[in-house]
Amino acid sequence: GAVVSQHPSWVICKSGTSVKIECRSLDFQATTMFWYRQFPKQSLMLMATSNEGSKATYEQGVEKDKFLINHASLTLSTLTVTSAHPEDSSFYICSAGETGYTEAFFGQGTRLTVV
Amino acid sequence: SQQGEEDPQALSIQEGENATMNCSYKTSINNLQWYRQNSGRGLVHLILIRSNEREKHSGRLRVTLDTSKKSSSLLITASRAADTASYFCATEFSGGYNKLIFGAGTRLAVHP
Repeated sequence: GAVVSQHPSWVICKSGTSVKIECRSLDFQATTMFWYRQFPKQSLMLMATSNEGSKATYEQGVEKDKFLINHASLTLSTLTVTSAHPEDSSFYICSAGETGYTEAFFGQGTRLTVV
Repeated sequence: SQQGEEDPQALSIQEGENATMNCSYKTSINNLQWYRQNSGRGLVHLILIRSNEREKHSGRLRVTLDTSKKSSSLLITASRAADTASYFCATEFSGGYNKLIFGAGTRLAVHP
């Protein structure tokens, strides 16, 4: 199956700083990628749909100015958590789909801890 | 918004027993997928069942789908301690193009 790589796998940052998380499709092109957030012992919540060459589509309740998404190429989407606060500490995971496949491929996830 | 519900939320069984997890959803779907997640790690895709399928098998896994009831079940037979994990169903909306909505998940503990 296709491979989606996410980086970093974990990051610790200070309150008020910004953190960028990368999601790459390694062997296929993805016009659309998805970003999810997961709090401890909870399910994955869809945050936004990242669209190559256009603005991301955010789910209700997700602050677009807080979670900046850039999908500048067919193989890379980035999620930047701006002015991070401890309540942003979570597990962030991306997915991408390859044309012709019904299965979505997930990155390994990024555990963000804001101190 | 999260649309899937799963039950039970937690399940504790002995090795060798079967584990059944249920999932319900609200809207029309292209397919329903089951994922496994070990604590604090990424997702492992287990099985995908299309909306026009009713049952699917993969090794010790058996998935059923009832679109009239908007529900699915995952059965793990002859469970092993290594099956201990959280299991999530995820639905792809009609026209969703890999956009998945996850259920609440079932935390399975298999005791040796």
